Amino acid sequence: QKEVEQNSGPLSVPEGAIASLNCTYSDRGSQSFFWYRQYSGKSPELIMFIYSNGDKEDGRFTAQLNKASQYVSLLIRDSQPSDSATYLCAAEGGGGNKLTFGTGTQLKVEL
Amino acid sequence: EAGVTQFPSHSVIEKGQTVTLRCDPISGHDNLYWYRRVMGKEIKFLLHFVKESKQDESGMPNNRFLAERTGGTYSTLKVQPAELEDSGVYFCASSQRPGGELFFGEGSRLTVL
Repeated sequence: QKEVEQNSGPLSVPEGAIASLNCTYSDRGSQSFFWYRQYSGKSPELIMFIYSNGDKEDGRFTAQLNKASQYVSLLIRDSQPSDSATYLCAAEGGGGNKLTFGTGTQLKVEL
Repeated sequence: EAGVTQFPSHSVIEKGQTVTLRCDPISGHDNLYWYRRVMGKEIKFLLHFVKESKQDESGMPNNRFLAERTGGTYSTLKVQPAELEDSGVYFCASSQRPGGELFFGEGSRLTVL
């Protein structure tokens, strides 16, 4: 069983729509959760992190965490073509940046 | 400010050969990490340096892999001898403190033929 699971996609959304990316994790000891965006051939780039149950908003991005359901999500409002990338969900449990990644979801925002 | 830089960006070697990957973290970042992504799989943790000391090397696959960070600045990851299953993208990342924001390099793609 994978420790962090994501749907590989591709997830296609029209420009201006809300993109919803989901992630589940198996280790209940995980404390912090991260969303990275990775363009092809480039480095993963941190978009958001969350460690408390509920929602956390930053501009067009909202991260949601439900520890009881072991579920993390990322909402992207007003999606733009430049948001097209692979989104990686990661969990961390020990405070040392030893991250456990999912395989990533490819997002395509279409004109 | 320069980000995390890795060299080479792509290396193609034959099975049994040796390859050394280098990572220069962001200046002042004591914490340096190596991760690896094998084709079709998730990015996996290899090890964590704090300055020149190995804090956690639980992800190193076997003794063919040797990571060093002499002087606590740049780090090298040597694979000797390389096997076919070592092919993948090796990412280096750094942070100012454990748990702080992790900055990744663009990765070194290793192809073992």
